[in-house]
Amino acid sequence: DTAVSQTPKYLVTQMGNDKSIKCEQNLGHDTMYWYKQDSKKFLKIMFSYNNKELIINETVPNRFSPKSPDKAHLNLHINSLELGDSAVYFCASSQAGVQTQYFGPGTRLLVL
Amino acid sequence: GIQVEQSPPDLILQEGANSTLRCNFSDSVNNLQWFHQNPWGQLINLFYIPSGTKQNGRLSATTVATERYSLLYISSSQTTDSGVYFCAVSTGGGNKLTFGTGTQLKVEL
Repeated sequence: DTAVSQTPKYLVTQMGNDKSIKCEQNLGHDTMYWYKQDSKKFLKIMFSYNNKELIINETVPNRFSPKSPDKAHLNLHINSLELGDSAVYFCASSQAGVQTQYFGPGTRLLVL
Repeated sequence: GIQVEQSPPDLILQEGANSTLRCNFSDSVNNLQWFHQNPWGQLINLFYIPSGTKQNGRLSATTVATERYSLLYISSSQTTDSGVYFCAVSTGGGNKLTFGTGTQLKVEL
């Protein structure tokens, strides 16, 4: 059973398009995260939700909008995609009071 | 914000060799995790170790929180150990992980 899953795994799109990435966890965790890994493999947090409430919102363009319909899902919608948005986006989850974060397989986004 | 430095940045080993990877951090932490990013890009949890010592098979880790560093030991390395090893820490509330720049490990036959 996959603990943290993401769809799609690969996404190739044109500049200016709008796209969404979905994340689901079946670990029963109440906190979920989005991280971005750039071409130099540097990983940086973007957002975090706890029980559907936004608790971390790093300096990210407002073209990026996370949505958490329930505590098992955290989606990332990106408007007006730019070349610089090309990266690998990782979803992660953890349980409040237990620090360990578990990561999904990543979504490789390429903007042409 | 907290700074996380990893060394060495690159490491090439012969199969069977041992190695030590280091992570230095600039502030007190309440979470420290070691990850292995395999050649397919998957981030695999190795240890949650904000302090103390843990072992899992050929891997072990030690964090000396008072001196703000953590070490990851890999013994009898195998080609499947190749990839990037990340240290990540958080401090304060929110459990926001700050990642180091990683150690790229290549194990050769």
